[in-house]
Amino acid sequence: QVQLQESGPGLVKPSETLSLTCTVSGGSVRSGGFYWSWIRQPPGKGLEWVGYIYHTGSTSYNPSLKSRVALSTDISKNQFSLTLSSVTAADTAVYYCARVSATVVYGMDVWGQGTTVTVSS
Amino acid sequence: SSLLTQPPSVSVAPGQTARITCGTGDIGIKAVHWYRQNPGQAPVLVLYDATDRPSGIPERFSGSISGDTATLTISRVEAGDAADFYCQLWDSSRDQFVFGTGTTVTVL
Repeated sequence: QVQLQESGPGLVKPSETLSLTCTVSGGSVRSGGFYWSWIRQPPGKGLEWVGYIYHTGSTSYNPSLKSRVALSTDISKNQFSLTLSSVTAADTAVYYCARVSATVVYGMDVWGQGTTVTVSS
Repeated sequence: SSLLTQPPSVSVAPGQTARITCGTGDIGIKAVHWYRQNPGQAPVLVLYDATDRPSGIPERFSGSISGDTATLTISRVEAGDAADFYCQLWDSSRDQFVFGTGTTVTVL
């Protein structure tokens, strides 16, 4: 059974770069048919898709974040990562990693538990 | 990015039926998915491709599409069904994933 686990600092200063990693267990980021995605949820608000990466390195990002976000994979560690630059308080959120599966017609069938990131000096 | 329109809240008595709509607007009907999110927890996929249930999801959860609106129906509502629900689809023309605005289901 595939499991995802987010990790990274819980506190980031304004204007700095947020970096998070999602470790995949029970499966491989190299597997075809799966896209590896990040979603975030500001306190008391709804879900916002951040971006996805495919094992080939192909990416797609939310246009509202595109100028500041980058996703990458580390095949050797079976991980994928998110970096978000020039953060502000508006980037404070719970960040989830998730697997997008072609088997469920590009729904997100596996989610990490989420990690809270606060942007504050 | 555009959002899918959902009612902010739906209230339902135990044993009754809850219906949550998702307006897809000009995105058009693609494969619509639904998630349940309990407080403090990660979302869980409860329906994919509008009508299909992942393993472990009760038959009380069903879905449909009419025009540009997808609907999640929860039959015989139980107290444990109280949660936030989100629709989601992949906008292939823009290569973006889009979430609905979210609906809070309250069991009276």
